[in-house]
Amino acid sequence: EIVLTQSPDFQSVTPKEKVTITCRASQSIGSSLHWYQQKPDQSPKLLIKYASQSISGVPSRFSGSGSGTDFTLTINSLEAEDAATYYCHQSSSLPWTFGQGTKVEIK
Amino acid sequence: EVQLVESGGGLVQPGGSLRLSCAASGFTFSSYSMNWVRQAPGKGLEWVSYISSSSSTIYYADSVKGRFTISRDNAKNSLYLQMNSLRAEDTAVYYCARADPNGLNFDYWGQGTLVTVSS
Repeated sequence: EIVLTQSPDFQSVTPKEKVTITCRASQSIGSSLHWYQQKPDQSPKLLIKYASQSISGVPSRFSGSGSGTDFTLTINSLEAEDAATYYCHQSSSLPWTFGQGTKVEIK
Repeated sequence: EVQLVESGGGLVQPGGSLRLSCAASGFTFSSYSMNWVRQAPGKGLEWVSYISSSSSTIYYADSVKGRFTISRDNAKNSLYLQMNSLRAEDTAVYYCARADPNGLNFDYWGQGTLVTVSS
């Protein structure tokens, strides 16, 4: 099973700051890495697919990069509405797995 | 607008059974693979099961293999999860999630249905 480890687990950030969340895979997964945002009491929402591909309707301040084992989700100029938990997910091999999540709080 | 609406959750005793349903609308259900993903209270996400558009390919997480059965009825635009031999550790919100056309990520999610396994 491929283990995804996110860092940090928690981040408290001031609005307009830049946020960087990393996701490291226990083995190479190519670009089969996706990012989701889950706001409190809501279901997850797809933010970035295949490491760096944008999703229609998602604000352009969200971007992704990486390949192989190391991936990054970047939120440029954080807004109050971005308070959420962010998860990475790999679809390279079964069982599909998720990172443990990174909670982003607005200061 | 894509909509996925889960139902069938509730309180069940250990060893019991429950059948979850997911009603899909706003897209051609028969053309998409579907998944169940769960989230234990206060915890992260766990993929549970996958079914291809024609039901020809099915996968399960090891934690539910042999106890859960995924199925679909394309004529009724519905996805199901039959859960047997339930355990306390199956307590979670269960989401149905559509797979993108490549079948490799979850592009739309329902609101979830809570399953509580407790005596």
